[in-house]
Amino acid sequence: KAGVTQTPRYLIKTRGQQVTLSCSPISGHRSVSWYQQTPGQGLQFLFEYFSETQRNKGNFPGRFSGRQFSNSRSEMNVSTLELGDSALYLCASSMTSGGTDTQYFGPGTRLTVL
Amino acid sequence: DAKTTQPPSMDCAEGRAANLPCNHSTISGNEYVYWYRQIHSQGPQYIIHGLKNNETNEMASLIITEDRKSSTLILPHATLRDTAVYYCIVLISNFGNEKLTFGTGTRLTIIP
Repeated sequence: KAGVTQTPRYLIKTRGQQVTLSCSPISGHRSVSWYQQTPGQGLQFLFEYFSETQRNKGNFPGRFSGRQFSNSRSEMNVSTLELGDSALYLCASSMTSGGTDTQYFGPGTRLTVL
Repeated sequence: DAKTTQPPSMDCAEGRAANLPCNHSTISGNEYVYWYRQIHSQGPQYIIHGLKNNETNEMASLIITEDRKSSTLILPHATLRDTAVYYCIVLISNFGNEKLTFGTGTRLTIIP
């Protein structure tokens, strides 16, 4: 079956703008997690959504937000972009939330903030 | 903070077995060891996971020591496509708050 898809794959924005990234999980998966990857900080957990509810959140400012729809698709929004937000944003899906359910990652969206 | 320690880089000759070590000395009894890898600029790819017994799948084998304080990922016949950063992760599980915490990983280079 199809893997996790993310759109767009590449994005260029300027400081102060806002951006919305989209993630479609594997069919049947109900949990979507978002991660930020930068050369300096590595892979960092942003938040997780399950059944349209945020279940867990990492240590990121309130400019980073997300939501999940009834079909399990998820969006992540970053407002008032800063240069340091330039990163690869990854989403991962799993069947359930909780336990040790394996997460499967999408290819990522590479965001460049100028 | 990641609860694992891995060497920053390793080389392995093509066709040989690649053995990637991971130290997780503070692992607790109900925490699993997961391995993911990330090929340049792609999303991480799940490889294998285990609790206490050795595990094998079509990609790799996972050997966990009896005291569970360390493990080794084995790629039996490494190919050039196995060049990637390999992450060893202990799943921090606090019911309902599971999340993957990635460390810096091991950059494995397969040499022709």
